Amino acid sequence: DAGVIQSPRHEVTEMGQEVTLRCKPISGHNSLFWYRQTMMRGLELLIYFNNNVPIDDSGMPEDRFSAKMPNASFSTLKIQPSEPRDSAVYFCASKPLGQGFRQFFGPGTRLTVL
Amino acid sequence: GQQLNQSPQSMFIQEGEDVSMNCTSSSIFNTWLWYKQDPGEGPVLLIALYKAGELTSNGRLTAQFGITRKDSFLNISASIPSDVGIYFCAGAAGFQKLVFGTGTRLLVSP
Repeated sequence: DAGVIQSPRHEVTEMGQEVTLRCKPISGHNSLFWYRQTMMRGLELLIYFNNNVPIDDSGMPEDRFSAKMPNASFSTLKIQPSEPRDSAVYFCASKPLGQGFRQFFGPGTRLTVL
Repeated sequence: GQQLNQSPQSMFIQEGEDVSMNCTSSSIFNTWLWYKQDPGEGPVLLIALYKAGELTSNGRLTAQFGITRKDSFLNISASIPSDVGIYFCAGAAGFQKLVFGTGTRLLVSP
């Protein structure tokens, strides 16, 4: 079975550009989570969705960050405009709703903002 | 954001040695999980703990949920080179949200 799919795996962009990260959760999983990982701050939860509805976005750092989940099989995390301090690895994770805390992570997108 | 403190930060051991690492928090958690992250990959779940005092094994890995519910321990017996990676603890904070530890980087020398 396919795991969580993220694209692109690597993204290099210049400051001020818009960046869109994509995630396809595991089929049948209706909770989706976006995390950011940096050396300084570790793994931080940015936002999560249940049944395509954003439940908690308190971890989203600024208004420059936005996330959508238009359907059960696709989510995007957008940064506009991007800044060098946004450079990090962004992970998407999914789990079946109501089944404990066992989240399954994607391979991540490594973002570098120059 | 909130983080759990893990120790040690890193370990360099010989193949065959046993490894112990722990995770502490100032807050109580009702669920603890341990993940392993290989270079260039996302974290993979190793063990989940649901009750204070619970001791759970997964092959050579054993984890315990501390009695106070503010800590957890992970032990790896007879380490092998493929155990190399970063190990993260995570505590369940409220409905569905996980708080992750700072990580323990493990290096194993053949």
